[in-house]
Amino acid sequence: RKEVEQDPGPFNVPEGATVAFNCTYSNSASQSFFWYRQDCRKEPKLLMSVYSSGNEDGRFTAQLNRASQYISLLIRDSKLSDSATYLCALYGSGNTGKLIFGQGTTLQVKP
Amino acid sequence: EPEVTQTPSHQVTQMGQEVILRCVPISNHLYFYWYRQILGQKVEFLVSFYNNEISEKSEIFDDQFSVERPDGSNFTLKIRSTKLEDSAMYFCASSGLTGAPPQYFGPGTRLLVL
Repeated sequence: RKEVEQDPGPFNVPEGATVAFNCTYSNSASQSFFWYRQDCRKEPKLLMSVYSSGNEDGRFTAQLNRASQYISLLIRDSKLSDSATYLCALYGSGNTGKLIFGQGTTLQVKP
Repeated sequence: EPEVTQTPSHQVTQMGQEVILRCVPISNHLYFYWYRQILGQKVEFLVSFYNNEISEKSEIFDDQFSVERPDGSNFTLKIRSTKLEDSAMYFCASSGLTGAPPQYFGPGTRLLVL
């Protein structure tokens, strides 16, 4: 099983839709999780960290399910500008700050 | 807002040549990283660097690769003898005093090996 797995998509949704992505991870000892956004040929940018209790930032909500070993990202009221690839990431073991990324899920929001 | 910068933005080189990719991390950060992303694939960790030494490196980071912090501002990745499969986007990243998130990524250097 891959360390971090995501459905590559693409997810094609109309503006205003709600869309959710999941990301599964294999190491049950993983502690820190993140969602990054990557635009085409650009660098990953941190969207949000994922806390055990779940967290929300405007239209974005992140959840962690430790029992099933997945994290999720929910985007409400999708905008055209949300079109991007969303990368799930977690810290590797060893406390060196190494990030392990998933393949990414591509979202295309259409007018 | 402070940012990580990288030069050059693009580099084309011949197989077997040496390349040096340069990064200027955010000024008060102490943890530095290199990642690469082959076109269409995921972002892969190469190496982490703290206190002037490598703290972790991946299997990709073989003897052809080296990193250096030659002065107080630059952080470099050297590929000694490039191979075709080294063609990728190389991202530098840095994080703050505790090494905690977020890691800020630079805009990347697109390396093409011919």
